[in-house]
Amino acid sequence: DAGVTQSPTHLIKTRGQQVTLRCSPKSGHDTVSWYQQALGQGPQFIFQYYEEEERQRGNFPDRFSGHQFPNYSSELNVNALLLGDSALYLCASSGTAKNIQYFGAGTRLSVL
Amino acid sequence: AQSVTQLGSHVSVSEGALVLLRCNYSSSVPPYLFWYVQYPNQGLQLLLKYTSAATLVKGINGFEAEFKKSETSFHLTKPSAHMSDAAEYFCAVSDLNTNAGKSTFGDGTTLTVKP
Repeated sequence: DAGVTQSPTHLIKTRGQQVTLRCSPKSGHDTVSWYQQALGQGPQFIFQYYEEEERQRGNFPDRFSGHQFPNYSSELNVNALLLGDSALYLCASSGTAKNIQYFGAGTRLSVL
Repeated sequence: AQSVTQLGSHVSVSEGALVLLRCNYSSSVPPYLFWYVQYPNQGLQLLLKYTSAATLVKGINGFEAEFKKSETSFHLTKPSAHMSDAAEYFCAVSDLNTNAGKSTFGDGTTLTVKP
């Protein structure tokens, strides 16, 4: 049984570019949450998707957007990249017990 | 609003010694509390969770934590440290109702285990 998978593993972009990160949830899970983890800090909640809609959102600008597909997989899009967007982006999935989240290994984004 | 404070960004213990990682939380509603471990270049692995049942929670790899409402604490302990326990540990809080699945994390504690 595959866990949460994220792609790509690493990504290098330049300021002003746009990026798309992908996440496949654990089998049987229908909810996907995205977190940003800056170096030396704990993860910060970006948003959560359930039934293909954004259900909750953290304190992130509109440059951060997402999507959930009918198969429950999800994408995180970031527009107009800033140097400060450099971080590890973590995807977490959950099922009926929304608070019990399983995390992927993350995508490390470097913005130059 | 919820928040988590992890006291001590770095903790160093000798192999075989007691591990104690401190976590205090703030929540306006009964919380769910979690401890996660993160190894280098990996995601978060759930160690244990408190979900309003027993206040002493046992997790994987010999870790346990005790929920103390009066102290708003959820400290993580392990009787005897092993070299493989060296990692980053995160405490997190969420609530069941309006913010189900939205976890607030502390800044983490790096555990070093000396031989």
